[in-house]
Amino acid sequence: TAGITQAPTSQILAAGRSMTLRCTQDMRHNAMYWYRQDLGLGLRLIHYSNTAGTTGKGEVPDGYSVSRANTDDFPLTLASAVPSQTSVYFCASSDSESPTDTQYFGPGTRLTVL
Amino acid sequence: QKEVEQNSGPLSVPEGAIASLNCTYSDRGSQSFFWYRQYSGKSPELIMFIYSNGDKEDGRFTAQLNKASQYVSLLIRDSQPSDSATYLCAVVNTGNQFYFGTGTSLTVIP
Repeated sequence: TAGITQAPTSQILAAGRSMTLRCTQDMRHNAMYWYRQDLGLGLRLIHYSNTAGTTGKGEVPDGYSVSRANTDDFPLTLASAVPSQTSVYFCASSDSESPTDTQYFGPGTRLTVL
Repeated sequence: QKEVEQNSGPLSVPEGAIASLNCTYSDRGSQSFFWYRQYSGKSPELIMFIYSNGDKEDGRFTAQLNKASQYVSLLIRDSQPSDSATYLCAVVNTGNQFYFGTGTSLTVIP
């Protein structure tokens, strides 16, 4: 199986433009997550979804929105990008029914906002 | 106070030695603890999880949990150059929120 896929792999975006980062998982996991990873700050949770149809805010949600129309897809949208949103973005999923609650990560999207 | 704290390193050990990575957490009620490895330019991948006090061994890796002292550690025995990576500690707190540390960079010197 593919696990988790993300698209695009990398992107350069002009400030003020909008963009949607795509994330798809084929493991039928209930929960999905979006993180950003910045040097010295580690992984920080942006938004999460415990099940299809529900979403929640993480540690750094401002400037981002998500939707969870079905189990497999969890897109992240930047409505009006700013340079501080330059980062590597990781999507992750977990089987929330499992006691381990292990998160599995996609390959990441490297976003540069100029 | 951060939820999860790690020494950023870098930590350097010679090949064949034991590498010891440490992590502390702030929420005393946290129940689930994870160690992830992240190679440069790659995504994090799970090495081990631990829930109970004590040691958990998996091959060359041993996770140690001490809830009273609120720390979790990862020992890597017989370290290999291929173990060179950043190691991320993650904790699920009482609010069921998943927090990652900033990671410790490990270099194994041949």
